Amino acid sequence: GAGVSQTPSNKVTEKGKYVELRCDPISGHTALYWYRQSLGQGPEFLIYFQGTGAADDSGLPNDRFFAVRPEGSVSTLKIQRTERGDSAVYLCASSLGRNTDTQYFGPGTRLTVL
Amino acid sequence: QQQVKQSPQSLIVQKGGISIINCAYENTAFDYFPWYQQFPGKGPALLIAIRPDVSEKKEGRFTISFNKSAKQFSLHIMDSQPGDSATYFCAARVQGAQKLVFGQGTRLTINP
Repeated sequence: GAGVSQTPSNKVTEKGKYVELRCDPISGHTALYWYRQSLGQGPEFLIYFQGTGAADDSGLPNDRFFAVRPEGSVSTLKIQRTERGDSAVYLCASSLGRNTDTQYFGPGTRLTVL
Repeated sequence: QQQVKQSPQSLIVQKGGISIINCAYENTAFDYFPWYQQFPGKGPALLIAIRPDVSEKKEGRFTISFNKSAKQFSLHIMDSQPGDSATYFCAARVQGAQKLVFGQGTRLTINP
């Protein structure tokens, strides 16, 4: 079966622009996560969805970052007024449900803010 | 409290040798400790995981050793192969929560 897919694979934008990153989880997975991975670092948690609702958004760095999952499947991470410091690989993961352990990661979207 | 500290940052091992990566934590509320393997341009993939009620878990060439009293856990890769060359991350999760807290990563190189 298909794994977690993310589009685009690469995104280059200019400082101040708005970007949207998309995540398609594994079919049937109700839990979805966004992480951010800076160069040479481990992934850092951003937000967790259970179904359509954001159950934990404690990792979002500021109000420029927002994520949605309107139908409980595909999720979009939205970044307003991008800054150079937002440059990183944005990883999406999904898992079967609330009480399951294994998170399956997608390949990530590499965001570069010029 | 939420940190997981990983060492070494990089490691070079000869083919057939044992690779050992260590992690330490402070938060006693962590109840799940996975190790992820990441190849360049790919997302992390779960390798092996352990819960604190056991001291060791082995899957093939990969073993996690867990020391609850010392709040440390380690990954051992036996008979290391060039195909094991990747970045390895330890992680931890607080009981009842879903988010993973990752270590800084170890870049492992296996020389043929």
